[in-house]
Amino acid sequence: EPEVTQTPSHQVTQMGQEVILRCVPISNHLYFYWYRQILGQKVEFLVSFYNNEISEKSEIFDDQFSVERPDGSNFTLKIRSTKLEDSAMYFCASSFLAATDTQYFGPGTRLTVL
Amino acid sequence: GIQVEQSPPDLILQEGANSTLRCNFSDSVNNLQWFHQNPWGQLINLFYIPSGTKQNGRLSATTVATERYSLLYISSSQTTDSGVYFCAGMEAGTASKLTFGTGTRLQVTL
Repeated sequence: EPEVTQTPSHQVTQMGQEVILRCVPISNHLYFYWYRQILGQKVEFLVSFYNNEISEKSEIFDDQFSVERPDGSNFTLKIRSTKLEDSAMYFCASSFLAATDTQYFGPGTRLTVL
Repeated sequence: GIQVEQSPPDLILQEGANSTLRCNFSDSVNNLQWFHQNPWGQLINLFYIPSGTKQNGRLSATTVATERYSLLYISSSQTTDSGVYFCAGMEAGTASKLTFGTGTRLQVTL
């Protein structure tokens, strides 16, 4: 069964450093998403992406964040200058349709900012 | 945006018991999903169920869209069912983000 994959599974970085989290969505999916979950809290939406454009972003997704689909298979989330409060589990998800369809989630990348 | 409330927040069961988890939405949704977050943090898709009833083994779910709630039933619980169960909905008329509830933490004991 096709699945969303994410790398790395765990990333440790120093405050102020740039990080890139990588995702490979399910191959025929058209819509891509990033969510995050601070430890012990609920999952929060960050951004959605379709046709090489951001379709929606949350208040969390400020200028420090960016997304890119650099080729036909990868989808990346970049945090330009990490802060302590960026420590969280980051989930990538994908779906074939926008609304009335299952969003399939990857296993997550645990980001720790020291 | 919509608000998603889940109850109960915590649940402890003995192996073999049945349980019902509830999810209430503040507004109509066009997408509703249930997830199980395992001890490793992975979000496992359980159901896509914007309306109606579905069953998958010992799990079943029912969404009553007109009354803005969904129920997840776990029968004959096993220790591997432990973890956090999240429901998430997408506000009707929108086409992007899932809004998650705060989850139900389930512990199944021997």
